[in-house]
Amino acid sequence: EPEVTQTPSHQVTQMGQEVILRCVPISNHLYFYWYRQILGQKVEFLVSFYNNEISEKSEIFDDQFSVERPDGSNFTLKIRSTKLEDSAMYFCASSRSRDAYFGPGTRLTVT
Amino acid sequence: DQQVKQNSPSLSVQEGRISILNCDYTNSMFDYFLWYKKYPAEGPTFLISISSIKDKNEDGRFTVFLNKSAKHLSLHIVPSQPGDSAVYFCAASAGWISGTYKYIFGTGTRLKVLA
Repeated sequence: EPEVTQTPSHQVTQMGQEVILRCVPISNHLYFYWYRQILGQKVEFLVSFYNNEISEKSEIFDDQFSVERPDGSNFTLKIRSTKLEDSAMYFCASSRSRDAYFGPGTRLTVT
Repeated sequence: DQQVKQNSPSLSVQEGRISILNCDYTNSMFDYFLWYKKYPAEGPTFLISISSIKDKNEDGRFTVFLNKSAKHLSLHIVPSQPGDSAVYFCAASAGWISGTYKYIFGTGTRLKVLA
C-alpha cells in the first residue's frame, strides 16, 4: 500500500541553523500539507500546497518557513533560522481528495 | 481556538468490549470529519472518515457516527483489542477553501485496551 515517507526521522540542529525536512507524498495525490506537534500538544496545521503553490498557511508559518516541490515527487519544508521553539515532530501529509495520509514524521530538536 | 474538542484525555476498556471515543466541534462550516490513530513517535494513521451528508460510516471494527445538530461525532471500536491502544485524534475540515482541505485536530484521547 502506498505511503508517505519522510526523511530524516530525527534531525538535531543548533539554533540559528537552516534545516530542510523532506517528504515523498503518495504518487497520485494532489494536495500536500505540513503539520507539526510540539511535545504534549495538539497536531497543528502549518501549510497546504496545491498546484505548485501555497494554498493556505497558518500564523505559525512565518517568513522563516518555506515549502517547495522541486521535482514533482519530493515536498520539502525549510526553516531558515531555527529557534528553540521549533523543536517538534513535523508531519507531512498528502491527499487525493479529502482523506489525508500522514508520514511517520521528523523529530526536530533545536539546541 | 478550540474548534475541535476531545474532552476525555484518556479511556480504559477491557479487551473484547466496545470503545467509544467522542469529539465535539463548534464550527458549523465543518463538513468532513476524520479519525486518526497515533502511536508515540509515529505519524497519525488514517482510520475512517465521514461526510456531513451521512450520519454513519462503517469499516470493519470501526464505526463513526455523526450528529450534526449536536455538533458531535463518535468513533466506536468493536471489539476492542490490545493493539488498539494508542492516541486517537478526530479532525475536521471545512471543505474546499482557497485550494485546500485544511484539517483541524482535536487534542486526542489516549485509549488503553486491557487484556
